[in-house]
Amino acid sequence: GENVGLHLPTLSVQEGDNSIINCAYSNSASDYFIWYKQESGKGPQFIIDIRSNMDKRQGQRVTVLLNKTVKHLSLQIAATQPGDSAVYFCAETSNAGGTSYGKLTFGQGTILTVHP
Amino acid sequence: DAGVTQSPTHLIKTRGQQVTLRCSPISGHKSVSWYQQVLGQGPQFIFQYYEKEERGRGNFPDRFSARQFPNYSSELNVNALLLGDSALYLCASSSAGGDSPLHFGNGTRLTVT
Repeated sequence: GENVGLHLPTLSVQEGDNSIINCAYSNSASDYFIWYKQESGKGPQFIIDIRSNMDKRQGQRVTVLLNKTVKHLSLQIAATQPGDSAVYFCAETSNAGGTSYGKLTFGQGTILTVHP
Repeated sequence: DAGVTQSPTHLIKTRGQQVTLRCSPISGHKSVSWYQQVLGQGPQFIFQYYEKEERGRGNFPDRFSARQFPNYSSELNVNALLLGDSALYLCASSSAGGDSPLHFGNGTRLTVT
């Protein structure tokens, strides 16, 4: 079936650096994308979302970029801090079948490690 | 405000037993979704309920069932447990208006021995 792909990469950065986490998706019907952060022993925590009618969206220290042409999503974290260390997942969804975006398809995640 | 709450936090069961996991959504949220997360992987969709009706079902066997109550809380039931059912079970809620993301609880860690 369709899936969102992260190949379980790891990313190590120094505190203060900018981090970029990438994600490829394959379902052309997806119209809503979300980034989650998951710390050990906790559930996924919402970071930022973007709809398919946008290319870029900014939050506090985070920016999400969407390239629909190549089905690519990225999360940029500015001035990365040790507290940003976690597994990051992208997820995609659509309002197919009346699920009203309640069915997310997740990638496998990227492990971000921030060194002080 | 309280987030999504799940109980219990940890559970150990034996193969063949049955388990019930519980979830209370964020106040005002009418949609509840359940996910299974195996160690080292992303969450996999199991069910979505909205206004007590099943709105979606993932690729899980009939041993998995769920329901939603009038107060929008939900239960996930798994019968005839297998070792492979060991996972973190996550509940998420949303306003189901199509304009808000899913918010997850911290899950129930189920271990089947």
